[in-house]
Amino acid sequence: NAGVTQTPKFQVLKTGQSMTLQCAQDMNHEYMSWYRQDPGMGLRLIHYSVGAGITDQGEVPNGYNVSRSTTEDFPLRLLSAAPSQTSVYFCASRGGIYGYTFGSGTRLTVV
Amino acid sequence: QKEVEQDPGPLSVPEGAIVSLNCTYSNSAFQYFMWYRQYSRKGPELLMYTYSSGNKEDGRFTAQVDKSSKYISLFIRDSQPSDSATYLCAMSADSSASKIIFGSGTRLSIRP
Repeated sequence: NAGVTQTPKFQVLKTGQSMTLQCAQDMNHEYMSWYRQDPGMGLRLIHYSVGAGITDQGEVPNGYNVSRSTTEDFPLRLLSAAPSQTSVYFCASRGGIYGYTFGSGTRLTVV
Repeated sequence: QKEVEQDPGPLSVPEGAIVSLNCTYSNSAFQYFMWYRQYSRKGPELLMYTYSSGNKEDGRFTAQVDKSSKYISLFIRDSQPSDSATYLCAMSADSSASKIIFGSGTRLSIRP
C-alpha cells in the first residue's frame, strides 16, 4: 500500500545509546518531516526536508540528526538517547500544500 | 504562551449530538488552517483545511475560521461512535506549509 512506512514500531533504549528511526515513502513526495508527540504538547516539529540533500531544523532539533540522500528515505538519528526523548515519533510527507500523510509512529522509551 | 491553544478535553457526547471543537492562536500571520483526526495508536490524518477566513463544509463536518478573533472551529453534525478520536487543529503562515504548528489535540468520545 502506498504511504509512509516507519520502523520500528516500538523501541526501548538505555540512556546514552544511539539509534536510527527509519522512514520511507513511495509517493514521490519532495517534502518530509519528523514530529514528536507528547501528552499535552501536541505535535512538535523536529526536522524537515524539502528535497533530497536539503534538511532544516524545526522547533525541537536538539539531540537529533537527519539526512536525505534519496527522495524516498528520511531517517532520524538519536545521537545519545536521554529519558526526555521518550515519546511517540511520527514521520510525515507532503505532496501538495495541505496533504500531509503520516506514518503509524514509533513508540520510543528511554530508560 | 503557546502559539496555538486547544482544549484537551476529554469531551464526551451522545450519538447524534452536534460537536464543537475549537482552537485559538496568537500569530496573526497564520493563513492556512487544518484539522486532523487521530485514532488511538495511529498517525494523524487530514480531515479538513481552509485558507483565510470563512466556512468550509464537507459532509457532516464544517470548518470555520475567524481571523479577526484568531479563533477556529470544527463542527461535527449527527456525531457517530466512529468519530471518537483525538482532533488536532493545525495552522501555517506560508503556503509551502513547511512549518505547521499543531494544537495539543482534543480527545472526543461519542457515546452510543
